[in-house]
Amino acid sequence: DTGVSQDPRHKITKRGQNVTFRCDPISEHNRLYWYRQTLGQGPEFLTYFQNEAQLEKSRLLSDRFSAERPKGSFSTLEIQRTEQGDSAMYLCASSPLGLAGASDGYEQYFGPGTRLTVT
Amino acid sequence: AQKITQTQPGMFVQEKEAVTLDCTYDTSDQSYGLFWYKQPSSGEMIFLIYQGSYDEQNATEGRYSLNFQKARKSANLVISASQLGDSAMYFCAMSTRDTGRRALTFGSGTRLQVQP
Repeated sequence: DTGVSQDPRHKITKRGQNVTFRCDPISEHNRLYWYRQTLGQGPEFLTYFQNEAQLEKSRLLSDRFSAERPKGSFSTLEIQRTEQGDSAMYLCASSPLGLAGASDGYEQYFGPGTRLTVT
Repeated sequence: AQKITQTQPGMFVQEKEAVTLDCTYDTSDQSYGLFWYKQPSSGEMIFLIYQGSYDEQNATEGRYSLNFQKARKSANLVISASQLGDSAMYFCAMSTRDTGRRALTFGSGTRLQVQP
């Protein structure tokens, strides 16, 4: 299977604990995105990498959220001191690098997501 | 700011019939992309179709077509010959150069139920 993979698929944690999620993108994709999806809503963009560079992180929900992509391959999303409001599906997506001047037309391929439950 | 509006929380369609899912968007960017994704109960987002803002022809992918009306800022998804497996949540999304370097802004979705 050469799609986007995420681990774990489900995570239950107690409030105040730290959690880390992993995303492995499609191997030839330079761009990697993290989204959060709460029940009944569409995904909400969190952050974005192009290769190892984090080019957008202002949408991270608070300073408890951080993401890395150290070697430009897999990425991790960490939530420190989890709160019940962090309970959601965390989705990772990847896409190829677009051509300069092209419209924003490169579809993002999503992984199966990590469902986080904070008790 | 970019915004996607999907006004139909739920839709029903008979198997083999066509159905249109509505999507309107708002952006001041001249260059943007419009996408539709399907999310079955399993949770994975599946890319269906893409339309660029400069594309003059409506996009088509198999049974999916995108009715793009730029002046009205609408990008409706048409599914022809509905199948039971089409039952899912459908999300319209947009990317612009302002949305976090081509990140997607999603609407709230439409739940489609195909009835036999």
